[in-house]
Amino acid sequence: DADVTQTPRNRITKTGKRIMLECSQTKGHDRMYWYRQDPGLGLRLIYYSFDVKDINKGEISDGYSVSRQAQAKFSLSLESAIPNQTALYFCATQPGTGDTGELFFGEGSRLTVL
Amino acid sequence: GQNIDQPTEMTATEGAIVQINCTYQTSGFNGLFWYQQHAGEAPTFLSYNVLDGLEEKGRFSSFLSRSKGYSYLLLKELQMKDSASYLCAVMDSNYQLIWGAGTKLIIKP
Repeated sequence: DADVTQTPRNRITKTGKRIMLECSQTKGHDRMYWYRQDPGLGLRLIYYSFDVKDINKGEISDGYSVSRQAQAKFSLSLESAIPNQTALYFCATQPGTGDTGELFFGEGSRLTVL
Repeated sequence: GQNIDQPTEMTATEGAIVQINCTYQTSGFNGLFWYQQHAGEAPTFLSYNVLDGLEEKGRFSSFLSRSKGYSYLLLKELQMKDSASYLCAVMDSNYQLIWGAGTKLIIKP
């Protein structure tokens, strides 16, 4: 089983619908991240959380919201989806001890907004 | 602003050596990462450099020059499975990762 699990893996929806992407991890990491990836662009940070009570906006948070329900769960919501939110979304975790360390990514959630 | 530059695409031959360059301009520096990403899959960690010099790990090596804002990833004895995108990322002074757009590496037989 994957250490970082994202659901759904693929989703097609219509403009204006509310969408939630879920991420759960069994690595025991404090830090969790949501990124989106578009062709020709680098990974862009949407939101991140360093613990359950900590939520921070990334560079492209507009149109998104998050919830850190527990150390192991970090959900991303699109309140009213629009076509330019069509992208591949990745959740990632990182150990909280120390300020450096690799990220561990989920398998990705491909979202298409029609 | 902060910027990471790496070539968009490179082609190499199976069995050969390829060097993928990355230059960066960031507000502070707390290390440089290389990740491999196969099409449609998650990025996976390859290497981390925080001090100048070469880090070798099997067929892969990564070099860093902080004074030049430059790194490269060297892949030796290329195999077809090395066809993937290679992502360079720098951790800035706020310990946030700044990502390059990635270099798509195509391996030909």
